[in-house]
Amino acid sequence: GDSVTQMEGPVTLSEEAFLTINCTYTATGYPSLFWYVQYPGEGLQLLLKATKADDKGSNKGFEATYRKETTSFHLEKGSVQVSDSAVYFCALSDPYSGGYQKVTFGTGTKLQVIP
Amino acid sequence: DGGITQSPKYLFRKEGQNVTLSCEQNLNHDAMYWYRQDPGQGLRLIYYSQIVNDFQKGDIAEGYSVSREKKESFPLTVTSAQKNPTAFYLCASTGGGQTAGNQPQHFGDGTRLSIL
Repeated sequence: GDSVTQMEGPVTLSEEAFLTINCTYTATGYPSLFWYVQYPGEGLQLLLKATKADDKGSNKGFEATYRKETTSFHLEKGSVQVSDSAVYFCALSDPYSGGYQKVTFGTGTKLQVIP
Repeated sequence: DGGITQSPKYLFRKEGQNVTLSCEQNLNHDAMYWYRQDPGQGLRLIYYSQIVNDFQKGDIAEGYSVSREKKESFPLTVTSAQKNPTAFYLCASTGGGQTAGNQPQHFGDGTRLSIL
């Protein structure tokens, strides 16, 4: 079956440092890929997505590129802020599940940014 | 603003008791989902519903039940058969149709359930 593997956390960075959170996946076909962010005590929010190979999703300074050859969707940000402290989830969905979204989530990576 | 409302935010269950978690959406979405979140395990699908009066079991449905009598509402009941109910429960929705797989899920802010 489908699976998503994220790097173990927590990741602790100083403000303005460069961020990479690795995500690799196993899936049949051509899944859509997502990054979600969860702030303490809240639900998940979509951060960015990509639906086909070589697509780059971007939002709020975060970027991720759909790499089919390496089955990866690594999240990057050039300069993190304290407000980026949260848990980040990589996820994939089967675009042909018909009428609902069959999603596989990674286990999440906690990011802590210190001033 | 459109969104998903979950209530209550915190819930406590006594032994042998059934409890119901509320989920309401005003996004006009066809599909709704319930997930359970445990530390270090990501999200696991409990139930989902594509349309009114229809729902399907997810990966961990045992000890849970749902109903979908209205498009806007998808309540989850945690029954006494669920022996380890302590977790964070998240409700989500997506639009339906053939492009559902490409759409992001919209989440509520969750209900944290604990055992008394």
